[in-house]
Amino acid sequence: EVQLVESGGGVVRPGGSLRLSCAASGFTFDDYGMSWVRQAPGKGLEWVSGINWNGGSTGYADSVKGRFTISRDNAKNSLYLQMNSLRAEDTALYHCARDISELGLFDYWGQGTLVTVSS
Amino acid sequence: EIVLTQSPGTLSLSPGERATLSCRASQSVSSSYLAWYQQKPGQAPRLLIYGASSRATGIPDRFSGSGSGTDFTLTISRLEPEDFAVYYCQQYGSSHTFGQGTKLEIK
Repeated sequence: EVQLVESGGGVVRPGGSLRLSCAASGFTFDDYGMSWVRQAPGKGLEWVSGINWNGGSTGYADSVKGRFTISRDNAKNSLYLQMNSLRAEDTALYHCARDISELGLFDYWGQGTLVTVSS
Repeated sequence: EIVLTQSPGTLSLSPGERATLSCRASQSVSSSYLAWYQQKPGQAPRLLIYGASSRATGIPDRFSGSGSGTDFTLTISRLEPEDFAVYYCQQYGSSHTFGQGTKLEIK
């Protein structure tokens, strides 16, 4: 069974940093690209960042470019999101998602980890 | 960036009725790289349709997708109680933008 379990969320002050993790199981992790997709409270979905199977190609939404860094460790079946210079508008539930197309088509999603940026 | 606009914002229907949800793109979606997701409260999104009209694994055949270019439709032929949820369209050919969602509620 495919499982994606996020962790690392919490409350952080504006300008602070957090590192999110996503533990994958039930599939061959390095066969797939992965992404982070966020959802602000009561709002819709926003793609944040994606990475290809070996980490050689990454992409970012304009809203996080230069502040967030996506990475992966295939030996640990894990995906990461380093978030720096956090803003109030980054407050959201962050989901990791498996990409079955390397074009951003997501067939499995985790339940998410909540990031709250507040003073 | 391609902007996706979904309509209506909320759709109120009864079980057994037919639901038609619309997704309009600000420019043509290449190769029909258009997907639909279902999200229930407190749950992660679930992939329903990809390539505009192909059902994902395990999705009942009452769900169907159609359209091309800039206009796409998700149709649920006969609503079941478990179908009441929020539905999002997404284009994945050029960046990865989502529509704002359509809430399908019980009338």
